[in-house]
Amino acid sequence: DAKTTQPTSMDCAEGRAANLPCNHSTISGNEYVYWYRQIHSQGPQYIIHGLKNNETNEMASLIITEDRKSSTLILPHATLRDTAVYYCIVRVGSVAAGNKLTFGGGTRVLVKP
Amino acid sequence: NAGVTQTPKFQVLKTGQSMTLQCAQDMNHEYMSWYRQDPGMGLRLIHYSVGAGITDQGEVPNGYNVSRSTTEDFPLRLLSAAPSQTSVYFCASSYSQGVYGYTFGSGTRLTVV
Repeated sequence: DAKTTQPTSMDCAEGRAANLPCNHSTISGNEYVYWYRQIHSQGPQYIIHGLKNNETNEMASLIITEDRKSSTLILPHATLRDTAVYYCIVRVGSVAAGNKLTFGGGTRVLVKP
Repeated sequence: NAGVTQTPKFQVLKTGQSMTLQCAQDMNHEYMSWYRQDPGMGLRLIHYSVGAGITDQGEVPNGYNVSRSTTEDFPLRLLSAAPSQTSVYFCASSYSQGVYGYTFGSGTRLTVV
């Protein structure tokens, strides 16, 4: 699986959009970008994933650059409950990928009132 | 629909004791796995299963045993607890090896003294 680079931490104002960057310059053509988050003391929570097109669901939007070497997770209206560590993970999105998720350091997001 | 249920939530063991961490899911997911998370670190895969009767080792399998007799249950056994196994343990399940995301349990916090 390709390696990812994320900022260690970032602050965000409540009610504003939070833009979380992730670099994955060695991503392969068959690798997807996944985002998870972990709220303190809880299990990780799946947020969204994408291959090359931008994706949106009820939690967030995922913007992937045309060369696929970086992506941005957007939380459109951050709330205090969005305070968490956010993980960007790149892996092959097929049953041949195996069962392993490789979690790096992630970005610690603090949403402030 | 309870998702992934882990029991117990907290456990203190003495060195050398054995115990079983329970994990059950009601989503009919074929794939289940166990991770451990140490303070300030990402998750590391212990063991995983691609279906009933099939298990395999992850990154850090030593000192742990698993079996998968049913689709729903995937218990993790500590054979002889050591202080190095003090950690938070998460069980996760997925459809199609996580292509569409993993569902994690709320974790078991284990302390070995």
